[in-house]
Amino acid sequence: GESVGLHLPTLSVQEGDNSIINCAYSNSASDYFIWYKQESGKGPQFIIDIRSNMDKRQGQRVTVLLNKTVKHLSLQIAATQPGDSAVYFCAETLLNTGFQKLVFGTGTRLLVSP
Amino acid sequence: GAVVSQHPSWVICKSGTSVKIECRSLDFQATTMFWYRQFPKQSLMLMATSNEGSKATYEQGVEKDKFLINHASLTLSTLTVTSAHPEDSSFYICSARDTSGRGEEQFFGPGTRLTVL
Repeated sequence: GESVGLHLPTLSVQEGDNSIINCAYSNSASDYFIWYKQESGKGPQFIIDIRSNMDKRQGQRVTVLLNKTVKHLSLQIAATQPGDSAVYFCAETLLNTGFQKLVFGTGTRLLVSP
Repeated sequence: GAVVSQHPSWVICKSGTSVKIECRSLDFQATTMFWYRQFPKQSLMLMATSNEGSKATYEQGVEKDKFLINHASLTLSTLTVTSAHPEDSSFYICSARDTSGRGEEQFFGPGTRLTVL
């Protein structure tokens, strides 16, 4: 189902630390997952995606881990920088539904201190 | 590439008036576009799926007569908020899929901030 958050959980880290942002998704049939970064007043920006036939995928400074058993997704950001400060959303979808409706998680605000 | 624009970026209107928001794919064609609404400190909620040349598909609880969607071309979808009221104040975001098969990624617009007085 769709998620509605009444408030955003916040993760505060120091510059240079590694950050881990977690997401619990809702539909066990979902087979495609995406992490988005949203800065204040802007639209979501694609970070990294993963299909359900994988459990790990790495990008530049980011890694996504997928645990289908417990319907859990995580985003790891290495050497976090102040520019990484934003709200991060996970999204899930079924690739075979044609229109690819994305269901977004509640989001986590990442605050990076210099 | 893969840029989606929205116009206007923000709008303030009086209660009872209608507001039109445009979503354009600038460098690709999009058979399908999506409209989302986001309230402060909340997640994106899908309102409707806009299909070029056919009627939009609305999510449960979204009034189709209040939120009119027109997808007249492969690069343009419009959302019209009719008889807007203060509770319609929100951040409206569109996304588009590239029909040329550039993968599954949806490209998001920068959003439109609507404030109804």
